[in-house]
Amino acid sequence: TQLLEQSPQFLSIQEGENLTVYCNSSSVFSSLQWYRQEPGEGPVLLVTVVTGGEVKKLKRLTFQFGDARKDSSLHITAAQPGDTGLYLCAGENATGGFKTIFGAGTRLFVKA
Amino acid sequence: EAGVAQSPRYKIIEKRQSVAFWCNPISGHATLYWYQQILGQGPKLLIQFQNNGVVDDSQLPKDRFSAERLKGVDSTLKIQPAKLEDSAVYLCASSLEIQVNNEQFFGPGTRLTVL
Repeated sequence: TQLLEQSPQFLSIQEGENLTVYCNSSSVFSSLQWYRQEPGEGPVLLVTVVTGGEVKKLKRLTFQFGDARKDSSLHITAAQPGDTGLYLCAGENATGGFKTIFGAGTRLFVKA
Repeated sequence: EAGVAQSPRYKIIEKRQSVAFWCNPISGHATLYWYQQILGQGPKLLIQFQNNGVVDDSQLPKDRFSAERLKGVDSTLKIQPAKLEDSAVYLCASSLEIQVNNEQFFGPGTRLTVL
């Protein structure tokens, strides 16, 4: 069974601080996606990483896919209250019929 | 472009009752997913359709859950009878096709409370 473990589960920081959240697995994934979910809404895709070692930037967010394609990290620089939300990583395995497995998420709260 | 629509947004029922959820995916999206998201957890795939055919329903509790996607567009998910542990948000998502780097577009979900 493929599992994705996210850490930390919960993070509360002050505006302007930097943070990193992690997504780890013992399985290899064809691609890995990061979603952000706000209360009462469905997840919204932030980025997809495909190649081992790949780094993608989205404004103040930096995403990295591990060399072995088993783990990923999301780094936020100078966090803002608008970054508050649940960050979910999701791994996709083409050999499994493109089934997407979600982690439990990291709940981020940025205080003004 | 309209997003994925779901109804109702909230539903409260007593255990052993039946409930149905409806999803209208983004126009032209061939693939439709139903997920269950229990509080504090990530979404868990219940069933995946490609057009009106089932691609994966390995995690669907088939003794009480059923889903259909008639005509390959709208879909309904039914629970009969409901149990306390079915309390969760039920998310519907759609994507253009089944392929790698697949972007799924999610609806707002239906929050089910079973008393």
